[in-house]
Amino acid sequence: QKEVEQNSGPLSVPEGAIASLNCTYSDRGSQSFFWYRQYSGKSPELIMFIYSNGDKEDGRFTAQLNKASQYVSLLIRDSQPSDSATYLCAARTTTGRRALTFGSGTRLQVQP
Amino acid sequence: GAGVSQTPSNKVTEKGKYVELRCDPISGHTALYWYRQSLGQGPEFLIYFQGTGAADDSGLPNDRFFAVRPEGSVSTLKIQRTERGDSAVYLCASSLGFVGSTDTQYFGPGTRLTVL
Repeated sequence: QKEVEQNSGPLSVPEGAIASLNCTYSDRGSQSFFWYRQYSGKSPELIMFIYSNGDKEDGRFTAQLNKASQYVSLLIRDSQPSDSATYLCAARTTTGRRALTFGSGTRLQVQP
Repeated sequence: GAGVSQTPSNKVTEKGKYVELRCDPISGHTALYWYRQSLGQGPEFLIYFQGTGAADDSGLPNDRFFAVRPEGSVSTLKIQRTERGDSAVYLCASSLGFVGSTDTQYFGPGTRLTVL
């Protein structure tokens, strides 16, 4: 079992819709979670992080964390074609350890 | 300000050769990380430096891989006796390095290594 799991997709949504990207993790000691966006052929770009249960909003993006269910999600409101990319979920999985453990990413396609 | 930079952007080598990949972190970032990413996968951790010392090298796959950061800034990832399975994009990231869950890593553009 991978430590951080994501559905590979592609997830296809129409322009203007809400895209919902999900991630589960296996290590209950995980402290913080990061969402990165990666365009084809480019490096990961940080969108936002979350470490407390509940929702955290930043512009069109909302991250949600449920530690009891070991579940993290990213909502993208008013999706745009420029949001089409692979979204990587990452966890800092052990207290005191700095390395991030990444999922394989979910490919999002926003249809104009 | 300048982000993380990596050189070269592409490296093609032959099986058995030695390669060096360079990373220049964001100014003021004390923590530096190396990851590698294969097609269709997320980045996989290799090694983490805090200052000049390798604080966590648990991700290095074998003793052909080695990294240094002699002055606490630029880092070099060294791969000896390259194998075709080493072909991947090697990503460098840096962060401020403070203790806490929210210390955020910023990635460079990567070096695409191809071993023929």
